[in-house]
Amino acid sequence: EVQLVESGGGLAQPGGSLRLSCAASGFSFETSEMNWVRRAPGKGLEWVSYINPSGSTIYYADSVKGRFTISRDSAKNSLFLQMNSLRAEDTAIYYCAREELQLDDGFDIWGQGTMVTVSS
Amino acid sequence: QSALTQPASVSGSPGQSITISCTGTSSDVGGHNYVSWYQQHPGKAPKLMIYGVNKRPSGISNRFSGSRSGNTASLTISGLQAEDEADYFCSSYTDSSTWVFGGGTKLTVL
Repeated sequence: EVQLVESGGGLAQPGGSLRLSCAASGFSFETSEMNWVRRAPGKGLEWVSYINPSGSTIYYADSVKGRFTISRDSAKNSLFLQMNSLRAEDTAIYYCAREELQLDDGFDIWGQGTMVTVSS
Repeated sequence: QSALTQPASVSGSPGQSITISCTGTSSDVGGHNYVSWYQQHPGKAPKLMIYGVNKRPSGISNRFSGSRSGNTASLTISGLQAEDEADYFCSSYTDSSTWVFGGGTKLTVL
């Protein structure tokens, strides 16, 4: 079965850190471009970060640049998001998503999401 | 990285057609063919409905169609059904090699 499963969410204090994981199965993770996307309560989707298959090309949204770090371990079929200096506005459900070149880079596989709450 | 502009809500009766607009700039929607639309039901993950401006992934009903004119993309749903009630988001690749989403449109089937 093709799927992505996120984990690592939870409650963090402002200024704190969390590390999200995304486990991939059922498709060729090592050749897939991957992204993190979030949705804050009552808000819309917001793209967070991108990483290419080799990990050599990475992009971030301005809102997280310098605080979040995306990485991957193809041997473990896993994607990660290290989140530091967390702010209340980072509170959201975080999704990992595959970007499929054959679908003009549409995000065709999504995880169920993991909730991150930043509050004191 | 300003969000693309979508109407907050649209509504229609079963069987009718509705169109959701998504306005950006020449640096995103108007300048790239990588425009997608996603459907999201409450508590569920987003689902790809349209990619490449006007293409449907396998398994998506032909009631869903996409188009673009200048810096504005549109999603049209014909023959509205109760299960179409959801949030819809557009997305576009940008000149900065990043992605930008629209603010989302809540579709209500009356």
